[in-house]
Amino acid sequence: GENVEQHPSTLSVQEGDSAVIKCTYSDSASNYFPWYKQELGKRPQLIIDIRSNVGEKKDQRIAVTLNKTAKHFSLHITETQPEDSAVYFCAASIGVHSGAGSYQLTFGKGTKLSVIP
Amino acid sequence: DTGVSQNPRHKITKRGQNVTFRCDPISEHNRLYWYRQTLGQGPEFLTYFQNEAQLEKSRLLSDRFSAERPKGSFSTLEIQRTEQGDSAMYLCASSLIQARNTEAFFGQGTRLTVV
Repeated sequence: GENVEQHPSTLSVQEGDSAVIKCTYSDSASNYFPWYKQELGKRPQLIIDIRSNVGEKKDQRIAVTLNKTAKHFSLHITETQPEDSAVYFCAASIGVHSGAGSYQLTFGKGTKLSVIP
Repeated sequence: DTGVSQNPRHKITKRGQNVTFRCDPISEHNRLYWYRQTLGQGPEFLTYFQNEAQLEKSRLLSDRFSAERPKGSFSTLEIQRTEQGDSAMYLCASSLIQARNTEAFFGQGTRLTVV
C-alpha cells in the first residue's frame, strides 16, 4: 500500500519568514496530493491540493510543488503569520482520473508549525 | 451548519462496552470515509462508502468494528467490546466524486476514551 513520509515533524519560524514542509510517497500510481491544516481541537481543513498532471500550484501565500519522478511534494508558506501556527498534514491518493480504485487518503504524520511573533 | 457533522463529540466508555458514532455528511456527497487519528499522528483510513455500498475496509478495521450507511446518507461506526487501544479521535469525511473534484471535507470528530 501507499506510504507517505513527512518532514520535519516540528518547525519553528519567525513571523514573516518562509516555511517549507516536505513529503515523499511510495506508490507511483498516486495522483492526488492534498495538504490539510489542523488547529488544536479542530477538524482537518484542506488548504491546497495538486494533481499529478501539474508541477506547481499557488494560492496567495501558499504554494505546493510536485516532483513525480522523485515522488515527493512540498508545501511552501511565505510571509508566515501567527495564525499559520497549526499541524499540517500531507496526503496522497489514487484514482482521481480513472474513476476506479479507492479515493482513500494516506496521510503523513504531520508537521507542527509554530510561527513566533 | 452545512458541513460534516459528527455525534457525539466526546465519548468515555468502560472497556468491554459497545459504542456507536454517527456521521452526517454534506447532503449531496456520495462518498463517506471513516478515519482514526491518535495523538501526534495523521488520520488513518478505516473504511469508505460510495452511496450505501461499503467499498473498502482497512486491515485496521478489526472484526469488532462495523460501519453502515443504510440509505446512502448518514453513517454509523460501531465498536464492540472496546479496548483501551481503541481510544482515539474518529473522523468522518465526505466528498462528491465528479469530474476532477475530489476534495474531502472532514467533520470535527468523535473523541473516544476507553477507561
